[in-house]
Amino acid sequence: DSGVTQTPKHLITATGQRVTLRCSPRSGDLSVYWYQQSLDQGLQFLIQYYNGEERAKGNILERFSAQQFPDLHSELNLSSLELGDSALYFCASSVEPWDRADEQYFGPGTRLTVT
Amino acid sequence: GQQLNQSPQSMFIQEGEDVSMNCTSSSIFNTWLWYKQDPGEGPVLLIALYKAGELTSNGRLTAQFGITRKDSFLNISASIPSDVGIYFCAGQLSAGGTSYGKLTFGQGTILTVHP
Repeated sequence: DSGVTQTPKHLITATGQRVTLRCSPRSGDLSVYWYQQSLDQGLQFLIQYYNGEERAKGNILERFSAQQFPDLHSELNLSSLELGDSALYFCASSVEPWDRADEQYFGPGTRLTVT
Repeated sequence: GQQLNQSPQSMFIQEGEDVSMNCTSSSIFNTWLWYKQDPGEGPVLLIALYKAGELTSNGRLTAQFGITRKDSFLNISASIPSDVGIYFCAGQLSAGGTSYGKLTFGQGTILTVHP
């Protein structure tokens, strides 16, 4: 158990819908990262937050957005869902994103299926 | 963007055999990490490497950070059935006091161990 929790574990929804994925980082971790894992793209970084502020963006679509709340949990919002958005979405957390690269601990993921 | 080439894509070995896999990049990284992912779970950190040339062990696992900073190797000695899973390398780039934080992942090596 990494200490990172994600809900829900599974999500099935229809095209065009909007969903929210939730992540709670490990106790004491201030930085949260979101990743998407699909069969064709592998593990791709989406976005990073540190202490409530966006720090880095990766291959995140405009239909997707995220935020980190004062209690440090984070939510990833996916809207206008398409079949290709079906994937595993992972959240990871680390203590802080300073110059020395830190170690990220991954949650169990949310499996999103868009039908 | 940065690409990591991980090889081999898959390995089928007998219990007790040693395993080697590697990752190469077209550009340098300041940190290399190796993760293992079991089906339906998030990646679990195995080893983190922070210095070029560094050799680090974690039980039967040994990893090395290449001198050129463009590659890394993972060796598993005396494999056992529970070593089965997908192994990912990941590179992280940090610069000038601000860590980008994001990880770039290889495509993964699927390891199967026959008893």
